[in-house]
Amino acid sequence: EAGVAQSPRYKIIEKRQSVAFWCNPISGHATLYWYQQILGQGPKLLIQFQNNGVVDDSQLPKDRFSAERLKGVDSTLKIQPAKLEDSAVYLCASSLQPTGLVTGELFFGEGSRLTVL
Amino acid sequence: TQLLEQSPQFLSIQEGENLTVYCNSSSVFSSLQWYRQEPGEGPVLLVTVVTGGEVKKLKRLTFQFGDARKDSSLHITAAQPGDTGLYLCAGVEAAGNKLTFGGGTRVLVKP
Repeated sequence: EAGVAQSPRYKIIEKRQSVAFWCNPISGHATLYWYQQILGQGPKLLIQFQNNGVVDDSQLPKDRFSAERLKGVDSTLKIQPAKLEDSAVYLCASSLQPTGLVTGELFFGEGSRLTVL
Repeated sequence: TQLLEQSPQFLSIQEGENLTVYCNSSSVFSSLQWYRQEPGEGPVLLVTVVTGGEVKKLKRLTFQFGDARKDSSLHITAAQPGDTGLYLCAGVEAAGNKLTFGGGTRVLVKP
């Protein structure tokens, strides 16, 4: 079974530029998550989708971050304009059911490492 | 202040030694998970605990969920270099629906 696919693996941009990350979850997984992991810290949830609807985006900096999950399958996360503090690994994860109902396993991709200069 | 506090932040031990990692909170959790993350990869689930006082064993790893469901521990017996990684606890609050991660404990097992 194919895992969660993310691209690009690495991206270096200058501040104020824009960047987009793509995620394809495991087939059949209705719930998709984007986490931000700053070096030396645990992952922080940015946004959670259930199919193509947003369940939680309370920690998404909406002035610069946006995410969409058209057709309830793959998803993109965009940052525009980027700031130095956005340097982090952006992890995409998927699960069969959303957390809160049954705490099932989250399957993570390898992440996209962003460096903002 | 993080919802889930992990300690220690970093642990370096020799192969064959035992270690314990702690995950604490003032909140009650309906469930708690432990993940391990290796460099350049995403976290991988080790275990889920849901009942207060529950103890689960996975080979040399023993996981315990506190009676009050506010804390958890991970104990590794006779650690091996392959146990090296970032150990993350993550929980869903009893009144919530979001999985929140702790800050992680970085474990280094030297041969």
